Amino acid sequence: AQSVTQLDSQVPVFEEAPVELRCNYSSSVSVYLFWYVQYPNQGLQLLLKYLSGSTLVKGINGFEAEFNKSQTSFHLRKPSVHISDTAEYFCAVRPTGTASKLTFGTGTRLQVTL
Amino acid sequence: GAGVSQTPSNKVTEKGKYVELRCDPISGHTALYWYRQSLGQGPEFLIYFQGTGAADDSGLPNDRFFAVRPEGSVSTLKIQRTERGDSAVYLCASSSPSREDSDTDTQYFGPGTRLTVL
Repeated sequence: AQSVTQLDSQVPVFEEAPVELRCNYSSSVSVYLFWYVQYPNQGLQLLLKYLSGSTLVKGINGFEAEFNKSQTSFHLRKPSVHISDTAEYFCAVRPTGTASKLTFGTGTRLQVTL
Repeated sequence: GAGVSQTPSNKVTEKGKYVELRCDPISGHTALYWYRQSLGQGPEFLIYFQGTGAADDSGLPNDRFFAVRPEGSVSTLKIQRTERGDSAVYLCASSSPSREDSDTDTQYFGPGTRLTVL
């Protein structure tokens, strides 16, 4: 079984400041890792994913994440946020090897203000 | 192209009633997933179809919940004798897992159906 921990339920940040959203996971098998974003009243949109290869993954809207196997982490970062980045961010994992369900964290609400 | 669509977008029902929620996946996607998202929580897995068959239904909370995908495309999630605790956003996702490490295995989500049980 897998589990995902997003310790920060809310992260307030000023526009143009950098941000890091933390994600840690637990799994007895190898996993793929994902970050999804959910804007108000919309469905989940994939930001980025780690399947294999380079541990630094770049996604849409200027976001990037780094996979750290020893620390079982997959933190999401952006060097300069915009008001439009205000949304809920979810980290998720699923086992490698076959199509299967995603296990999500509880989400982090990113609130960007002027 | 068209994404995953879900109908209705909102459903209000009374305790004890039966409801059906529909998901139209992206054309050609063989895998279809249902998740439930309660307020303040991340989505939780309910059931996964590969083609017409349920490959994993371990997330269905009890026998009041049932899902079908008779022709391998559209899926319907059915909830009998609804309870107030069933109130949540029900999300559907689809993917085309032809290769486990390719972009085709990304799960694409619909906008969800918000179910409110009074």
